[in-house]
Order: sequence, then C-alpha cells, then structure tokens
Amino acid sequence: AQKVTQAQTEISVVEKEDVTLDCVYETRDTTYYLFWYKQPPSGELVFLIRRNSFDEQNEISGRYSWNFQKSTSSFNFTITASQVVDSAVYFCALSDNDYKLSFGAGTTVTVRA
Amino acid sequence: GAVVSQHPSWVICKSGTSVKIECRSLDFQATTMFWYRQFPKQSLMLMATSNEGSKATYEQGVEKDKFLINHASLTLSTLTVTSAHPEDSSFYICSGDQGNQPQHFGDGTRLSIL
Repeated sequence: AQKVTQAQTEISVVEKEDVTLDCVYETRDTTYYLFWYKQPPSGELVFLIRRNSFDEQNEISGRYSWNFQKSTSSFNFTITASQVVDSAVYFCALSDNDYKLSFGAGTTVTVRA
Repeated sequence: GAVVSQHPSWVICKSGTSVKIECRSLDFQATTMFWYRQFPKQSLMLMATSNEGSKATYEQGVEKDKFLINHASLTLSTLTVTSAHPEDSSFYICSGDQGNQPQHFGDGTRLSIL
C-alpha cells in the first residue's frame, strides 16, 4: 500500500524567511512518481513538480527547490525567501503505474508580511 | 498547457436532490479521469477512476450507487451525487490523465447540501 506522510500540519513564517516542507513516502513499487501541489484558498490545485523514482537529482525552479532522497524515502520542498503569495496548503503526492494519486495530509503555510 | 474544465464551481441545493458535476478536458484526450473528494481542512481522497467507455472503478468505502460516474467520451466525465444529503457536502475535484503525464486538475466544485 502507498502512503504519504506530511508531518507538519501548519508552518508560519515571516516574509523572506525560508520554509522547508517535509514529505516521507512508502511504496512497494520500484517505479513511482512523486508530486508537489499547491492549493491556494481559492481551492484549485496547482501542479509544482513531478519526479520519477529513477531521477534523484535535486531540482531548483526560481524560489522553489526539491530534495529527493530515496535512501530515506523523502521528497522535501523548500521555498526560499517566502512571500505572502506563497500562503497556501501544499500537498505531497505519490503515484505508481496506474497513475492514481495518494496525497499526504497537506501542510498549511502562512507567510506573514 | 492541458486544461481541464469543471462545472459548476459552486452548488447549493436541498437535501434529497441529485447533483451532476461535469469534467471536461479541453485540449487533450483523457483516457482516464479521476474523481477526488476533499472535506474541509483535509486531504484529497480518491473516490473513483473512470476510463472512457467502461465502468468506473470505485475506491473502498465509496458507494457506487450514490456517486454515479459516466465517462462517455475521451473529453467528458460526469459525477452525479444522487439523493444528496448534508454529509455529502464537500469539495469535489476531477483530473484527467493522458498517460505517463502529470494529471491535470479541474478547479473543483464546492457542493453544499442544505
């Protein structure tokens, strides 16, 4: 069975601080995909990144960066120099070959001005 | 990028009525569509997987007779909540899959049953 754990329920930071969101996953599959989605208060899901299980390279996209470590089954997400517009719920998710997504519980990030 | 349109975005109706939610892939063919439900301050839970032209596959605990899913074409899937009750009030969101690509999500439907 697949499982995604986001241990942090809520994180509150002041603007310009960095914030790291933890994600730990469990799967028996050797081929799988990991995702991060952002859900702002309006409700829609915004796709941020997809990483397959064979690609452990870390990735940076603007102020966002991701650290994938298979050895610890973790796929952490860092927002550098946070801004108020980053306030949202962030979900880590896992899918296998049937493409069904298993979501973590989500982490609510609040960035205060 | 690929766009999924979900309609309506907000529904308020009386207990006992049936509500239909549409999910359309506008610029791609979605061989598979997924329906998720999200209760307030909770995560998204997969309800069912629908493949064009075949019966939907429901996750454990989801009543197939209550949540009717139809995937009549490669660009349209519908979810009908039959005889809705207040406990069915939730945020319903669909996604379309092109195969080996990130799923494209609709903007969701907020359903409130009075």
